[in-house]
Amino acid sequence: QKEVEQDPGPLSVPEGAIVSLNCTYSNSAFQYFMWYRQYSRKGPELLMYTYSSGNKEDGRFTAQVDKSSKYISLFIRDSQPSDSATYLCASFVYNQGGKLIFGQGTELSVKP
Amino acid sequence: NAGVTQTPKFRVLKTGQSMTLLCAQDMNHEYMYWYRQDPGMGLRLIHYSVGEGTTAKGEVPDGYNVSRLKKQNFLLGLESAAPSQTSVYFCASTSGPQETQYFGPGTRLLVL
Repeated sequence: QKEVEQDPGPLSVPEGAIVSLNCTYSNSAFQYFMWYRQYSRKGPELLMYTYSSGNKEDGRFTAQVDKSSKYISLFIRDSQPSDSATYLCASFVYNQGGKLIFGQGTELSVKP
Repeated sequence: NAGVTQTPKFRVLKTGQSMTLLCAQDMNHEYMYWYRQDPGMGLRLIHYSVGEGTTAKGEVPDGYNVSRLKKQNFLLGLESAAPSQTSVYFCASTSGPQETQYFGPGTRLLVL
């Protein structure tokens, strides 16, 4: 079993929809949680970064961490075709060289 | 400022051949990582380095070797390529374990 699990999709939504992307994790030592966005044939780029539990908002994006249920979420409001990409959740344990543990990634397509 | 660059962008190898993938970063980062990305598997860490002259094994190190002779470069070697090593390889770097990892554009490797 992977330490971070993510539904690979693909997920297809109409433009303007609210998108919910989710991950679960098994390692209780994880404290830092990230969402990376990866466009086709490109390297991943950091989208959101949260520490411990709670919400973090950045424009149309909201990252949510629930440590009690080991659940990580990313919400995209008013989704745009330019949001079409693969979204990868990731976490790491601080004292292990910053090694990121990634989920499988969810492929999102936003249709005009 | 080029960020993280990877050489080559694409390569075809025959089983048993060897090759070296080069990663270079111009951000003076201490930490560097090599990942492989396969369909349905997300990104998996191969090897990493927390500073010049240091290397450590990641999640899937078998069949690969690395060297960090200069701070700005991280080399990934395949001594005897196997079809199972067909993948997209990403290099990343960061200034510290809690900081953003910056990814290169990737190297697509096909082993026949």
